[in-house]
Amino acid sequence: DAGVTQSPTHLIKTRGQHVTLRCSPISGHKSVSWYQQVLGQGPQFIFQYYEKEERGRGNFPDRFSARQFPNYSSELNVNALLLGDSALYLCASSLQGYITEAFFGQGTRLTVV
Amino acid sequence: ELKVEQNPLFLSMQEGKNYTIYCNYSTTSDRLYWYRQDPGKSLESLFVLLSNGAVKQEGRLMASLDTKARLSTLHITAAVHDLSATYFCAVDIMIDMRFGAGTRLTVKP
Repeated sequence: DAGVTQSPTHLIKTRGQHVTLRCSPISGHKSVSWYQQVLGQGPQFIFQYYEKEERGRGNFPDRFSARQFPNYSSELNVNALLLGDSALYLCASSLQGYITEAFFGQGTRLTVV
Repeated sequence: ELKVEQNPLFLSMQEGKNYTIYCNYSTTSDRLYWYRQDPGKSLESLFVLLSNGAVKQEGRLMASLDTKARLSTLHITAAVHDLSATYFCAVDIMIDMRFGAGTRLTVKP
């Protein structure tokens, strides 16, 4: 049974560019959350989506946006990339709209140069 | 604002020794999680603690939750090198989890 899958695994972008990260949750899970983990820190909550609706948003600028598709997969979009956006982006899948147990994907390592 | 504080942030242990990692948080929550992260890897779920007094054990690790004290502990018994990793606690505040800064554990032979 496939776990949470994210793509791509690594990405290098230039400042000012746009990036799209993708996540497929565990089969049967309807909630996807996105986290940003800067090197040496704990993950920071960006978004949660449940049944294709945004249920929560962390303290991130409007350059960050996301959506969830009918098959419950999700995309995280970041516009006008800054050097400070370099991080590991983690997608977490959970069964319901509130967290009971979240399962994390392997992450996408984004480097902005 | 919810704060989640772990200590210590860095821990170097000898194999065979015992130690405890502490996780304090500043808001009411009945759900707390412990994760392990190896360098360059994602988060692996270790324990899900869903009520006051919950205690769970897996191998050399044991986690407990005291919601009244807003404290969770992760106890390591007879450490082995394979336990070297960063350990995070995370407090559930309904739609997201607030993570501590992590405890980087190194177990030396």
